[in-house]
Amino acid sequence: DAKTTQPPSMDCAEGRAANLPCNHSTISGNEYVYWYRQIHSQGPQYIIHGLKNNETNEMASLIITEDRKSSTLILPHATLRDTAVYYCIVRVVDNQGGKLIFGQGTELSVKP
Amino acid sequence: EAQVTQNPRYLITVTGKKLTVTCSQNMNHEYMSWYRQDPGLGLRQIYYSMNVEVTDKGDVPEGYKVSRKEKRNFPLILESPSPNQTSLYFCASSGTAEYEQYFGPGTRLTVT
Repeated sequence: DAKTTQPPSMDCAEGRAANLPCNHSTISGNEYVYWYRQIHSQGPQYIIHGLKNNETNEMASLIITEDRKSSTLILPHATLRDTAVYYCIVRVVDNQGGKLIFGQGTELSVKP
Repeated sequence: EAQVTQNPRYLITVTGKKLTVTCSQNMNHEYMSWYRQDPGLGLRQIYYSMNVEVTDKGDVPEGYKVSRKEKRNFPLILESPSPNQTSLYFCASSGTAEYEQYFGPGTRLTVT
């Protein structure tokens, strides 16, 4: 079972920041937080991941709370092409299978 | 261009007729995996491979076979397809099991 809880859907105005929350209150010390997104039945796309520090790349920023029980994915300037289902996944980074356990995700709609 | 390719993209077949879905990656990745996606169930791992000639079962391996004779290829074989294998299938690869996974475009399979 997925170890994360996300709101089923969110709206965001084009050009504004999209802040997608994720609750992972049972996360273990060796588990990372990963974010993927899936645009309309295409293959999931990796966005970002982190352990305890905040992370930023060309796509997004990841803010992880100090107790690591929750995180927020930030798309700084959302565009219509960011409309997708966003998945927050906690995962042990080791050599035991590499499985990603996808939950139901958050369906983000970016509106003009 | 770095990518994971799958063929065919769409397939309609009949019960019991053996089929193979091919997956190929050009990134020299060691780790490859197959997932299926069904409404309400999310993505579930079928099989994975840590390297050439090393494969193992995921969460839903029944009715499927895989092989990994070359590093770049990881075909999914359905020896005797049944209607409950109607699904959207994704192949994924990563440098090793620890790293982010890159997904193919998907294969939509219908078994009648």
